[in-house]
Amino acid sequence: DGGITQSPKYLFRKEGQNVTLSCEQNLNHDAMYWYRQDPGQGLRLIYYSQIVNDFQKGDIAEGYSVSREKKESFPLTVTSAQKNPTAFYLCASSAAFRGGNTEAFFGQGTRLTVV
Amino acid sequence: EDQVTQSPEALRLQEGESSSLNCSYTVSGLRGLFWYRQDPGKGPEFLFTLYSAGEEKEKERLKATLTKKESFLHITAPKPEDSATYLCAVQADTDKLIFGTGTRLQVFP
Repeated sequence: DGGITQSPKYLFRKEGQNVTLSCEQNLNHDAMYWYRQDPGQGLRLIYYSQIVNDFQKGDIAEGYSVSREKKESFPLTVTSAQKNPTAFYLCASSAAFRGGNTEAFFGQGTRLTVV
Repeated sequence: EDQVTQSPEALRLQEGESSSLNCSYTVSGLRGLFWYRQDPGKGPEFLFTLYSAGEEKEKERLKATLTKKESFLHITAPKPEDSATYLCAVQADTDKLIFGTGTRLQVFP
């Protein structure tokens, strides 16, 4: 089955620790995205990548880092510099625009809680 | 600045009472407008893509339309299982995908 897999589903972090959220896709999509969702604020873009070894900051990139070493993988690290990391994190992927379908498909999310 | 605004924030409907959700946008180089459904604690589920003004798409009780500045999601004779948050997103020419804050729909019997 093709799709996007996020892991873990739940993650607990102590203050001052870095944590990495995994996102893997087998849809052969070029573009991948990370969003953060807080209650009442919709989805806010953290980082996105259009191609391997390249990525761009979204609207709320401070305190986060990403890498795109493989087409199918786009891990997100939440660093200790992120002051309020408790949130629901969503990863998505889409085919880069080439005149065809460009809809994004989402994983089931990772809920991160700082303890 | 690219921006997506959805209204209303919340909508309560009686079963069978039709209504519309609005998504207005400003974006440089629109490549596509997307509608998603999100259930609590889950990732968004893709519903429709619209690419050009005048385009319409339908799926069961849902119909999406697009103009140059906004999109509507029409819900005809909704059922309680249609209760969810509906999200609108636009894709700019940079591949950046920008979401609105969503409309939380409740349909009660």
